[in-house]
Amino acid sequence: TQLLEQSPQFLSIQEGENLTVYCNSSSVFSSLQWYRQEPGEGPVLLVTVVTGGEVKKLKRLTFQFGDARKDSSLHITAAQTGDTGLYLCAGLGNTPLVFGKGTRLSVIA
Amino acid sequence: GAGVSQSPSNKVTEKGKDVELRCDPISGHTALYWYRQSLGQGLEFLIYFQGNSAPDKSGLPSDRFSAERTGGSVSTLTIQRTQQEDSAVYLCASAPSGINYGYTFGSGTRLTVV
Repeated sequence: TQLLEQSPQFLSIQEGENLTVYCNSSSVFSSLQWYRQEPGEGPVLLVTVVTGGEVKKLKRLTFQFGDARKDSSLHITAAQTGDTGLYLCAGLGNTPLVFGKGTRLSVIA
Repeated sequence: GAGVSQSPSNKVTEKGKDVELRCDPISGHTALYWYRQSLGQGLEFLIYFQGNSAPDKSGLPSDRFSAERTGGSVSTLTIQRTQQEDSAVYLCASAPSGINYGYTFGSGTRLTVV
């Protein structure tokens, strides 16, 4: 069974601070995706990383896929209140997407 | 439509009753997925349809759960003899065929069994 562990589970920071969220597994994935979910809505895709060592930037968000394709990180620079939400990583292997339990981020003004 | 549509958005049912949840995927998306999200838990895979292939039912938690997809489009998830532990948000997603495509999720159906 492929599992994804996310840390931290909860994160509360002040606006303007930087933060990093981690997603780890003992399994290798062909690709890894990050989603953001707001209350009452379904998850929305932020990025897909495919190649080991790949780094993708989306404005203030930087996503990295580990060299061995078992782990990933999401770094947010100068967090804003609009970044508040549940961040989910999801791995694609031989099965439909496997999701981590998520990191609930709260950015306080 | 422009996105994945799920209905109803909320459903309260009595223990032991059957419920049907509906999903309208994005037109042209051949892949359709059902997931369940419980409080404090991640998304739990339930079932996957790809084109005309036999569905992957490996995530269904019991034989009380079933799903069908008619005409390669609309899907219905049926839960028979509902139990309190079935209370959760049921999310449907669709995707184009091929790997590495992101899923587009609906807003989900919040099911409460009382």
